[in-house]
Amino acid sequence: AQKITQTQPGMFVQEKEAVTLDCTYDTSDQSYGLFWYKQPSSGEMIFLIYQGSYDEQNATEGRYSLNFQKARKSANLVISASQLGDSAMYFCAMRRGTSYGKLTFGQGTILTVHP
Amino acid sequence: DGGITQSPKYLFRKEGQNVTLSCEQNLNHDAMYWYRQDPGQGLRLIYYSQIVNDFQKGDIAEGYSVSREKKESFPLTVTSAQKNPTAFYLCASSTGGRGWIDEQFFGPGTRLTVL
Repeated sequence: AQKITQTQPGMFVQEKEAVTLDCTYDTSDQSYGLFWYKQPSSGEMIFLIYQGSYDEQNATEGRYSLNFQKARKSANLVISASQLGDSAMYFCAMRRGTSYGKLTFGQGTILTVHP
Repeated sequence: DGGITQSPKYLFRKEGQNVTLSCEQNLNHDAMYWYRQDPGQGLRLIYYSQIVNDFQKGDIAEGYSVSREKKESFPLTVTSAQKNPTAFYLCASSTGGRGWIDEQFFGPGTRLTVL
């Protein structure tokens, strides 16, 4: 069975600073995909970044980067230059295989950005 | 604009009643999903469908039913057999493996409260 663990229930960061949100996963599959989603207080889920298990380089999307350490089974999200609008719940998720498939989500981390 | 719509946004139900949550997408996606989110928790998969007239149970399908008669529609019925239906329900869709990442796009959600 697949499992995603996010050990930080809440994180605080000062505006313009960088923050790392932790995610560890457990799977016996060789092929899988890792996702990060943002959920503002309005409730919708916004896709941020993706890392495939065979990708050799860490994924980056604008201010978001994924620190992928395959041997340690971790996929931490790094947000650089935090903005007030980054305050939200962040979820790490995993998909079996690198194509179509259902997602398994972690419990989430609430990020609060202070001015 | 392409996207996913869910209706209603808020839904109140008396115990013992069945209710149906609507999910429509105009993204031409093959795959659709239903997730449940409880307060402070991650998302859990209820049902998913890769193609019209076909769907599979997710991790918490008991007390729920779905249909997929049209590509763009994937309604979820919460039956009276669901013991604790009060939750936030999110519908999602994806290309179903035709895209490289196949990220899931989410609707705005329906908040169901059982009175």
